[in-house]
Amino acid sequence: DAGITQSPRYKITETGRQVTLMCHQTWSHSYMFWYRQDLGHGLRLIYYSAAADITDKGEVPDGYVVSRSKTENFPLTLESATRSQTSVYFCASSENGRGTGDQPQHFGDGTRLSIL
Amino acid sequence: GQQVMQIPQYQHVQEGEDFTTYCNSSTTLSNIQWYKQRPGGHPVFLIQLVKSGEVKKQKRLTFQFGEAKKNSSLHITATQTTDVGTYFCAPPWGANNLFFGTGTRLTVIP
Repeated sequence: DAGITQSPRYKITETGRQVTLMCHQTWSHSYMFWYRQDLGHGLRLIYYSAAADITDKGEVPDGYVVSRSKTENFPLTLESATRSQTSVYFCASSENGRGTGDQPQHFGDGTRLSIL
Repeated sequence: GQQVMQIPQYQHVQEGEDFTTYCNSSTTLSNIQWYKQRPGGHPVFLIQLVKSGEVKKQKRLTFQFGEAKKNSSLHITATQTTDVGTYFCAPPWGANNLFFGTGTRLTVIP
């Protein structure tokens, strides 16, 4: 969807380096999410944010840091990258719902991250 | 933890054959969403089911929500090569999150 953009699309880095993946949405959606997708594991939630300055852990948060100072941006940082973090990372956003997972999520095109 | 299973994990069909993927939960669901991810692409929302026994159609795709709201299915009639991809059911997980799991990867053989 054109309303949510991720950068970079591809990234190669080395073990131990810090890398930040960017996510920007233009819909003013309350919720934003970070997922990683690996063969055999499907899509797994890393972190999510209900609003600016509110973030919470998902299923696999270890090794990642997020922040959300503005509604439209939700960067994901790998503070010291490891080979196990080689993956495809997707950012998504959704409107605020009734707290029952009733809102569709809109995904960015993903970042393919390789850690050597 | 989330107890939702989607089967099968993989399905190969000849073009023109039908395809069905099933999503089974151990608990009652308030709703369920379905997504499609084309190879190399990102997940795209297809539909949401909310009511017990609900059936919704989108052209050749038929989505069902079980009477007990513990299972759901996606049926594709007369598959085409454009149907290739991974189909995810996504029940609620936590307050506003979804659980995607591994999905069903569909291959259509021309």
